[in-house]
Amino acid sequence: GESVGLHLPTLSVQEGDNSIINCAYSNSASDYFIWYKQESGKGPQFIIDIRSNMDKRQGQRVTVLLNKTVKHLSLQIAATQPGDSAVYFCAENNFGNEKLTFGTGTRLTIIP
Amino acid sequence: NAGVMQNPRHLVRRRGQEARLRCSPMKGHSHVYWYRQLPEEGLKFMVYLQKENIIDESGMPKERFSAEFPKEGPSILRIQQVVRGDSAAYFCASLETGSPSSGANVLTFGAGSRLTVL
Repeated sequence: GESVGLHLPTLSVQEGDNSIINCAYSNSASDYFIWYKQESGKGPQFIIDIRSNMDKRQGQRVTVLLNKTVKHLSLQIAATQPGDSAVYFCAENNFGNEKLTFGTGTRLTIIP
Repeated sequence: NAGVMQNPRHLVRRRGQEARLRCSPMKGHSHVYWYRQLPEEGLKFMVYLQKENIIDESGMPKERFSAEFPKEGPSILRIQQVVRGDSAAYFCASLETGSPSSGANVLTFGAGSRLTVL
């Protein structure tokens, strides 16, 4: 079936460095993608989203890149901070349909 | 706005007992989504409800699981005759309209209810 998956389950980054978290999706019909951050014991928190008619969107210290040709999504976090340590999920759906399909997640650890 | 409220935060049940998880969406919202998260995994869609209606239950197990969202009160996810495999975190979400980045409606999640079946 269609699925969203991640290349790396864990990632450790030195504080202050940039991090890149990757995600592969297989549903070519997906046209809306979201990154969520989940801290231990909490629910997923929206970080940034992107529609398929774009290939890049920037937020505060975060950038999402979308490559539809290879069905690849990435989240870049600049100047990482200890508070960035969490599990990051990509999710996808068809725009207007809020039922999301989540990937497995990548655990990001920021090393002080 | 208190956000999406879920209770209990932690629930322990013995095999064969019933579990009831409650969710109050964001104020003024009438749609809720329930997701299940097994340890070290992503969230899996279970059911989407509006007030007094089940819109999409394609992710709900066929037996023992049910959900409702009455006209008054919170949405309830009910698991009958729990088994150890039901141990998971159950998250409820409601829609927040117009994300700051794309304008899309974004699911906003509660803190979850963690069910442990002994």
